Amino acid sequence: ETGVTQTPRHLVMGMTNKKSLKCEQHLGHNAMYWYKQSAKKPLELMFVYNFKEQTENNSVPSRFSPECPNSSHLFLHLHTLQPEDSALYLCASSQDSGSNQPQHFGDGTRLSIL
Amino acid sequence: QKEVEQDPGPLSVPEGAIVSLNCTYSNSAFQYFMWYRQYSRKGPELLMYTYSSGNKEDGRFTAQVDKSSKYISLFIRDSQPSDSATYLCAMSGGRGSTLGRLYFGRGTQLTVWP
Repeated sequence: ETGVTQTPRHLVMGMTNKKSLKCEQHLGHNAMYWYKQSAKKPLELMFVYNFKEQTENNSVPSRFSPECPNSSHLFLHLHTLQPEDSALYLCASSQDSGSNQPQHFGDGTRLSIL
Repeated sequence: QKEVEQDPGPLSVPEGAIVSLNCTYSNSAFQYFMWYRQYSRKGPELLMYTYSSGNKEDGRFTAQVDKSSKYISLFIRDSQPSDSATYLCAMSGGRGSTLGRLYFGRGTQLTVWP
C-alpha cells in the first residue's frame, strides 16, 4: 500500500459509544496530523504529532483523545461525542511538522453522531 | 478577519473554459502556497506547491502568487469534466506560529459540464 490510509471510511455512533479512528502512512514521514472538515468551513487542525510526540493540541475537547504509537500510525479515540462532532475527519502526514514540506491526506472517516 | 479568504462558489463552467480560482490572505509571514483538489468522498490531493511570488505551471494548471497583494490564483486551461471537484488553497510560513502549519481557505466547488 502507498500513501495515507484511514479506517473506517464511515462510522455511525451514538453519543455514549466509544470508537476509534485509525490512520496509517506509508510515506516514511515523521509528522502526522488530525483535521476536522465540516461543510462550508476551512479544515480545522486538531492535533499534531512529530516523531511520535504531540506538539500541538488546538484546544480540542477531551472527548477526542489522540494516540501515536509510532511515526506510521495515528489513532483518534472518541468518547461521549456530541451531534456537532459529525464531520469528515482527515489524517495527514508530512516529512516533519517543523518544515514546510507539503502534507498528504487520507480519504477521511465520515463520522455521524446520532 | 480570517487568515485565508476563498469564495466557496459554486462555480460552473462549460468544458474547455479557462477557470480562475483565487484566495486572499492577511498574514505577510506566509511564504509557501498550495492548491489541493478534493473529489467527492475523497481526501484533499496536493495539486500545486509554490514558494514565494511568481508562477508555476504543470500541464493545464498554473499557480500564481502575488505576495505584494496577498493574492494567489490557480488557473485551469481547457477545463474537463474530470476537473469537477472542490479546490482548496492552503499556505504556511517560515517562522513562528506559521512554520509548518497549514492555513486553509474554505474551498471553491467547481463543476465543469460537457
